[in-house]
This record gives sequence, structure tokens and C-alpha cells, in this order.
Amino acid sequence: AQKITQTQPGMFVQEKEAVTLDCTYDTSDPSYGLFWYKQPSSGEMIFLIYQGSYDQQNATEGRYSLNFQKARKSANLVISASQLGDSAMYFCAMREARGAQKLVFGQGTRLTINP
Amino acid sequence: KAGVTQTPRYLIKTRGQQVTLSCSPISGHRSVSWYQQTPGQGLQFLFEYFSETQRNKGNFPGRFSGRQFSNSRSEMNVSTLELGDSALYLCASSLGGGGSYNEQFFGPGTRLTVL
Repeated sequence: AQKITQTQPGMFVQEKEAVTLDCTYDTSDPSYGLFWYKQPSSGEMIFLIYQGSYDQQNATEGRYSLNFQKARKSANLVISASQLGDSAMYFCAMREARGAQKLVFGQGTRLTINP
Repeated sequence: KAGVTQTPRYLIKTRGQQVTLSCSPISGHRSVSWYQQTPGQGLQFLFEYFSETQRNKGNFPGRFSGRQFSNSRSEMNVSTLELGDSALYLCASSLGGGGSYNEQFFGPGTRLTVL
């Protein structure tokens, strides 16, 4: 069964520092996608970045990059030059190709950026 | 392009009542998925509808049901409400094609409180 594990319940980082949020996953489907979402206190889930299981290069989107290590089944999110507005919950999620639109989420990491 | 809308945003019900939540997807999107978010269980997949058919279902009791209309708008219904049904209910829409990538766009959620 597919599973996502986020081992950091909370993280505190100084503004402008880089931060890495950990995510490990488990699946038996060779075709899958990994997603990161940001959830501010308002509740809406904001898509940040996607990595496909067959993608050769790590995904990047502006200040966000995904450190994809397939053999280790990890998909860590790296935020460079953190900003106060980055304070939020961050969720790692996975979709198997055979799973239609079902996303399986990790428990999330609450990131707090200190000025 | 308008985003995903959910109504109502907030709802208070008492045990034993039933509730209907609505979700309007992004224009052109044919897939609507529903998720329940609670502090204890995190984000859990409820079900997904594509072209008016339930395509995937999570592990929830039969009290949770849904449907999708020809215009892709979706409703979910919870009957005989229990205290544990208090949660943020998130709806997500996507084009719904196959494969592991199909970005899901989330709505702002409906916060249900059961007293």
C-alpha cells in the first residue's frame, strides 16, 4: 500500500536561510508522482512542485526544488532564501498511476520562519 | 479563470443531522476529488468523481456519499452526523486524465463542526 512519511512535525528557521523538509514514501507501483503542497492558516492547499517517478532531473519551481532520491524513496522539499510568508503547513503527497486521482498525504510539517 | 469554489465555507450541525457540501470545479475539469482533514487523522481521501461516475473511493463508512452532475459540479453528503465528522472538507478538481501527473487544484474548504 502506498504510504507517505514526514518525520518533522515542526521546524523553525531564520528568515533568508534555506530549509529542507523531509519526505519518504512507499509504493509498489513503478509509475507514480510526488507532490508538495503548502497550506496556510486559511486552509487552502497550494500546489508547489511535482516530481514524476521517471523524471531524470530534480524538479524546480522558483525558490522550491525537490531532492528526489529514488533508491532511497525520498522526495525532500528544499526552500531557498526563506521568507516570512513561507510560514505554513507543508504536505508531501503521492499519486500512483493506477490510483486515478487519489492523493495520499503525509502528516505534514509546520514550518515557522522567524524574522 | 475562476478557481475551485466550495459552499458553504462554514457549517455547524448537531449529531444525527445530515449535511450536503458543494464543490464547483475549474471550468473544463471533469474530475472532482474530496478529502477530509482532521488533526488526528490528517488528510484522507474520500472519493473521486469523473464524468458523473465514482472512480475511486477511500475507506469511509457508507454515511459518506457523493455525486457529480453533468456540469462537473459535485456534492458530498454525510448522513447521521457524528462528533468525529468535524473536519475541514477539501475539494480538488483536475482534468482527470490517466497517469501519475494531473495537477489537482484545491478549493478553500468547508469547515464542518458537529455539536
